Amino acid sequence: DVKVTQSSRYLVKRTGEKVFLECVQDMDHENMFWYRQDPGLGLRLIYFSYDVKMKEKGDIPEGYSVSREKKERFSLILESASTNQTSMYLCASSWGVSSNQPQHFGDGTRLSIL
Amino acid sequence: DQQVKQNSPSLSVQEGRISILNCDYTNSMFDYFLWYKKYPAEGPTFLISISSIKDKNEDGRFTVFLNKSAKHLSLHIVPSQPGDSAVYFCAASAGNYNTDKLIFGTGTRLQVFP
Repeated sequence: DVKVTQSSRYLVKRTGEKVFLECVQDMDHENMFWYRQDPGLGLRLIYFSYDVKMKEKGDIPEGYSVSREKKERFSLILESASTNQTSMYLCASSWGVSSNQPQHFGDGTRLSIL
Repeated sequence: DQQVKQNSPSLSVQEGRISILNCDYTNSMFDYFLWYKKYPAEGPTFLISISSIKDKNEDGRFTVFLNKSAKHLSLHIVPSQPGDSAVYFCAASAGNYNTDKLIFGTGTRLQVFP
């Protein structure tokens, strides 16, 4: 069974802090994704990666960066947290490029920026 | 510009009856569609998918219908059960029936009451 693990379920940080959200998958998936979920807006893609050290911008990359040093781990970085980044963050993974296999999601990190 | 739209934020259905969740899309390049279910405090889980070469796909109590000319898909749940109460997201992707980049709708909250 696919397991996508996000390091924190809840996180509270202050404006201006650098914030790291970690995600690990155990299925040797090539693709990994970061989304944020907001009421009335659904899931929006921030960044994704289809290989180690590779990254692609999603629909809302501003204010975020990512790091993928190992295949199983994908980190989302808020360079200088702002209150409008308070949200639910979801990590997902899937099999290789151009497959029709579904993305598998972690349970999310609810991040509050004060 | 919302390319995938779920116009009903919520739906309430009696146990044993049919639940019909609707989804409309605007991008004619979309060729692969998925439905996800999300319980509170959990990540979305994959439910069922359909490619554009089909107009129907069935898996147990869940059936997805695709009407390409109307750019519309729907998820039917028969019979509905209280455990089906969740938020349902439809998602779409373009290019070779893959899931590399999914565009999600805003979700419909289904409540199944006894």
